[in-house]
Amino acid sequence: EAAVTQSPRSKVAVTGGKVTLSCHQTNNHDYMYWYRQDTGHGLRLIHYSYVADSTEKGDIPDGYKASRPSQENFSLILELASLSQTAVYFCASSRDNQDTQYFGPGTRLLVL
Amino acid sequence: QQKVQQSPESLIVPEGGMASLNCTSSDRNVDYFWWYRQHSGKSPKMLMSIFSNGEKEEGRFTVHLNKASLHTSLHIRDSQPSDSALYLCAASAQGGRALIFGTGTTVSVSP
Repeated sequence: EAAVTQSPRSKVAVTGGKVTLSCHQTNNHDYMYWYRQDTGHGLRLIHYSYVADSTEKGDIPDGYKASRPSQENFSLILELASLSQTAVYFCASSRDNQDTQYFGPGTRLLVL
Repeated sequence: QQKVQQSPESLIVPEGGMASLNCTSSDRNVDYFWWYRQHSGKSPKMLMSIFSNGEKEEGRFTVHLNKASLHTSLHIRDSQPSDSALYLCAASAQGGRALIFGTGTTVSVSP
């Protein structure tokens, strides 16, 4: 089965601090995604990428940046973390945008 | 923006019973529907996908699709406690950016 890993698995950050969430996939997939999950909101797309060195905005990109330095790695950056960014963040990868997405285990972020 | 609506929000099913979940898209360009299952504290995993009108069955799970109404449903027969989870519906369109997920249906199977 496809493998997607995330680090860290959980993090406590201070308001105004910088947070970087990392994602690594060994599936040779072109597409990678960052979602956040909050109770009652399902999964909301933050950023995605279909090729290295290029990222695209999703539905809720404000307050987040993304970086795709290689096909295998995709990072999500919160330059100035805010309380409202407390959530569970999932990374996923897929062969193309209409193929099965494989999710990482998630990162639980708490901003205080 | 495309929306994916799921109903009901939550469902309690007796063990051995049938669970029926609904999902509708508002985007006429949608041509693929997905069902993901997410157990508590875990990540979502793809359960079934469908792109043709009609029905698709895999074990205790059956998915229906009506492309004219952009409505899909997931039915779980002989529900087991291990089926207790959040079920997420997602839709995709040719040339679209990525899957759009609904807010999910929480299924609880009571022994």
